[in-house]
This record gives sequence, structure tokens and C-alpha cells, in this order.
Amino acid sequence: KAGVTQTPRYLIKTRGQQVTLSCSPISGHRSVSWYQQTPGQGLQFLFEYFSETQRNKGNFPGRFSGRQFSNSRSEMNVSTLELGDSALYLCASSLGGQANEKLFFGSGTQLSVL
Amino acid sequence: AQSVSQHNHHVILSEAASLELGCNYSYGGTVNLFWYVQYPGQHLQLLLKYFSGDPLVKGIKGFEAEFIKSKFSFNLRKPSVQWSDTAEYFCAVNARRGSGTYKYIFGTGTRLKVLA
Repeated sequence: KAGVTQTPRYLIKTRGQQVTLSCSPISGHRSVSWYQQTPGQGLQFLFEYFSETQRNKGNFPGRFSGRQFSNSRSEMNVSTLELGDSALYLCASSLGGQANEKLFFGSGTQLSVL
Repeated sequence: AQSVSQHNHHVILSEAASLELGCNYSYGGTVNLFWYVQYPGQHLQLLLKYFSGDPLVKGIKGFEAEFIKSKFSFNLRKPSVQWSDTAEYFCAVNARRGSGTYKYIFGTGTRLKVLA
């Protein structure tokens, strides 16, 4: 079974630009979550999608948005990039039905904003 | 708001030393607790989890964690670490408020370096 796939692996953008990151979950998984990982901050929860609906949202500004398609693939968009958006963005998938489920993580997209 | 605290940000140990990484959470309801590990160059993966039953849970590679409800803690332990345990360790809580949906909250992580 293929794991969680995130593309692209690396991105370099400049301030003010926008970016779209993609995540393909494990086949059969209906929940996709996004996290921002920075040194010293750990994993900050961005949002979770389940069956094409946003089920949970973290405390990030509206510049951060996402969506999920009918095949469970998810995209995350960041508009008007700021230097502080430089981070590793992780996607995680799970079946989505139980609270004690484990998350399966992708390798992440390393975003650098110059 | 729910939060997860990991008080040790960096830990350096020699091989064969014992390990204990602290994790405290702030949430009074039913919680599901996890430890994830990120080895250098690899993606995050589950080490162990607790959701009910015996508060002492065992995970992969000789790790264990104890859930102490009265202390809101879920500390990770290993009696004898190996060089290959060098990694970043994240504690996480999956909980919900009332009838809301569950939300995973992660701690800030602990970087463990084991010296050969």
C-alpha cells in the first residue's frame, strides 16, 4: 500500500506570492490533516478535512486555506506569503472514524519564503 | 484551550542510559494519547498510543509510556537507549470538547541525541 504522498518536496517562493501544496492520502483514508512544523514550535495544526468537508481548523490566518477532493486528495494554499511562513508542511491521513486512530504522515513539503 | 507540554526540548544521553521524556496535557475530558517519533530523514511515525485499559503501554523498539490521569501526564520511557534512538519525539493528544469533533494537538517535540 502506498504511503502518504506530498508534492512538491521543496519550494522556494518570495514574499507576496502564493503557493499550493498537494497531498495524496493512503488509499481508503478519508481524513487528511495539515500541520506546520518549525524548529521549537513543534507541529501546529492547520486544518483537517474529512469527506471533502473541513472538520477542524487551527489558529492560522485566513491566508491559509485548503480543500479536499472526492478522491480524498487534499490541497493546501497559502496566499500572500510572509517570511514567517517558511516551514515544513506535513500532511497526515487516517481512516477518519475513530479518535484513537494513528496518523500516517507524508515526508512533507519544505517551503522557503525569501 | 487544549495544550500539550514537553518540557525537555533537547536531551543528550550516552548509550545504555535510561530515558524519560515528560509530557503533560491540559484537558479534563476523555483523551487519547500518542507518542510519535521522527528519525533523521524519515517521516513521523507512531511509537505507541493509549486510549483505555492498562495505563502502562508498550510500543515499538522497547519504548513504553505511562498514563497518570491525576497528573495529566503521559511520560515516555526506555530503560536503555541505543544510538539508533536519536530522533525527535512528539507527544500528542486527540480529544474533543463536548460533542465537537476530535482534534489532534502535538507538543513542541524533544530532540534526543544518543552518543555512541
